[in-house]
Amino acid sequence: GAVVSQHPSRVICKSGTSVKIECRSLDFQATTMFWYRQFPKQSLMLMATSNEGSKATYEQGVEKDKFLINHASLTLSTLTVTSAHPEDSSFYICSARDETGRDTEAFFGQGTRLTVV
Amino acid sequence: GQNIDQPTEMTATEGAIVQINCTYQTSGFNGLFWYQQHAGEAPTFLSYNVLDGLEEKGRFSSFLSRSKGYSYLLLKELQMKDSASYLCAVMDSNYQLIWGAGTKLIIKP
Repeated sequence: GAVVSQHPSRVICKSGTSVKIECRSLDFQATTMFWYRQFPKQSLMLMATSNEGSKATYEQGVEKDKFLINHASLTLSTLTVTSAHPEDSSFYICSARDETGRDTEAFFGQGTRLTVV
Repeated sequence: GQNIDQPTEMTATEGAIVQINCTYQTSGFNGLFWYQQHAGEAPTFLSYNVLDGLEEKGRFSSFLSRSKGYSYLLLKELQMKDSASYLCAVMDSNYQLIWGAGTKLIIKP
């Protein structure tokens, strides 16, 4: 099946620094990728929809200046958490759909556990 | 508004059968997904239903009734490794996934 690779899987950073998370579709092209955040014992929450070659669409309450999304190619989207603070510590997951295929299942990256100290 | 409901937690015995229900109210419907998520890991795809009826895949089956806004995930011959959260998600008319809060399934020996 299709594979989505997310990197890094874990990152610890100091408060005030920025962290970049990469999401790659390895064997298919994804014009749309999704970024989710999941706090402990809670469901996935969609942060933004990343569109190749255009600006991301952010969900209500998500700061676009803090969570910078770049989808420069059909196989790569990046999420940069700028000026990270301890409350940004969470599990971040990306997903992508193989829109050329018959099925519309969304494939997930492995997730990135961000800890801000 | 859009809403996905599923039980918060269920307990079952190893070797038994368990059914996890999901009801939904969404703006449009382009399919319903079930995902399994072990603690600290990303969700993994289990099933996709877009037409009414039962889809069987090994020990797991998923059922959909679009008229009732209802689905269930059936797990047979439960194993300890099936202890996980099971997430129901509906793709709406904008092809966005609307997620349920997940059902934590606890398997006891």
